[in-house]
Amino acid sequence: DAGITQSPRYKITETGRQVTLMCHQTWSHSYMFWYRQDLGHGLRLIYYSAAADITDKGEVSDGYVVSRSKTENFPLTLESATRSQTSVYFCASRDRIYNEQFFGPGTRLTVL
Amino acid sequence: AQTVTQSQPEMSVQEAETVTLSCTYDTSESDYYLFWYKQPPSRQMILVIRQEAYKQQNATENRFSVNFQKAAKSFSLKISDSQLGDAAMYFCAYRSVNAGGTSYGKLTFGQGTILTVHP
Repeated sequence: DAGITQSPRYKITETGRQVTLMCHQTWSHSYMFWYRQDLGHGLRLIYYSAAADITDKGEVSDGYVVSRSKTENFPLTLESATRSQTSVYFCASRDRIYNEQFFGPGTRLTVL
Repeated sequence: AQTVTQSQPEMSVQEAETVTLSCTYDTSESDYYLFWYKQPPSRQMILVIRQEAYKQQNATENRFSVNFQKAAKSFSLKISDSQLGDAAMYFCAYRSVNAGGTSYGKLTFGQGTILTVHP
């Protein structure tokens, strides 16, 4: 299916464990983004990428790492999960030409 | 850095009536984009309307329109003839025009406003 997908949709993990959230888009968009959504904060940028192997930190990047070896994939890893990382995570992509950013369906992550 | 503020955590409206959601932003840039996104209970982020700062005319999409006041840095969303399906969280967002530079076109969001529609 065309579009942007995220997996898993729901994840429960324990403090200290490593967790990877997957994001895949079929449009070959150059730009990709990871946001987290928390009540009272809206969506905040974690990491973004302009192309394969080009990534940069957003405003809330501590405790997260990303990679982008292929244009279509942009996984987000929590190296050692903490309770404060309990959130809903959104992946998004944007074409170089068009202005609209397309969002995935989100992953709800709970860290116990 | 840009900031976006939505001062109304919750709003309610009667079906078929009109409601206005407020948004203010702070920026030193002269050209930029502003957006309103809708997030229903499904969590999907849906683009409602977009405004380019260089355009003086307010954007309109069917029942949705904006009141863009550039000098006041205000960007409100008006929903006319409200429907039950309009119930959702609404986010205001800002994006720099220089999307190919270091900003990469990232969005800065407000805190969100929960809209309830009463039948």
